[in-house]
Amino acid sequence: QVQLQESGPGLVKPSETLSLTCTVSGGSISSYYWSWIRQPPGKGLEWIGYIYYSGSTNYNPSLKSRVTISVDTSKNQFSLKLSSVTAADTAVYYCARGMMTIQLWGQGTLVTVSS
Amino acid sequence: QSVLTQPPSVSAAPGQKVTISCSGSSSNIGNNYVSWYQQLPGTAPKLLIYENNKRPSGIPDRFSGSKSGTSATLGITGLQTGDEADYYCGTWDSSLSENVVFGGGTKLTVL
Repeated sequence: QVQLQESGPGLVKPSETLSLTCTVSGGSISSYYWSWIRQPPGKGLEWIGYIYYSGSTNYNPSLKSRVTISVDTSKNQFSLKLSSVTAADTAVYYCARGMMTIQLWGQGTLVTVSS
Repeated sequence: QSVLTQPPSVSAAPGQKVTISCSGSSSNIGNNYVSWYQQLPGTAPKLLIYENNKRPSGIPDRFSGSKSGTSATLGITGLQTGDEADYYCGTWDSSLSENVVFGGGTKLTVL
């Protein structure tokens, strides 16, 4: 079955750029929407944005100025970049399949912003 | 402050029934489908209900969803200790800032 796996640094310094990649296995990245969602420790879910396999994107307005989501269909991967991070960006970051309905979630990866 | 409002916690005894509410507005729940997600401790969320009341394959019929106006409800019958989790509602918000929105989450305790 389709599985999603996040990868990337677990520690990022303040003011730097957080970069994560999600690898989709067991199925094609084509014909679906793919999202990034985060969850600060002990808090609720926050949608970051989504990308369609064709490359069209939509971002959370509160993060839009700092977020870029891209897709590489040849590698069956999509990626997240979040610039100018602060401690408030410390969270578990999930990659997921879907947009209005999140059908499938990765296991999540904790990213800590600290010097 | 979440766009969708859920009670922070609910509790009930094993075997009993519980409902979790999710309140929004006409720009989100009122005009879009609602999904529900279950997050067991230390794990990623999992889709429980989609399009207001549909269950993905593998989700038992003890879980049900409904929507009326600008509110949605998740129902769980025959509570089991394994149902202890955080539950989130989610939908699309088609206001000026179109985006996916979630409720703040509800912690279910099975006493």
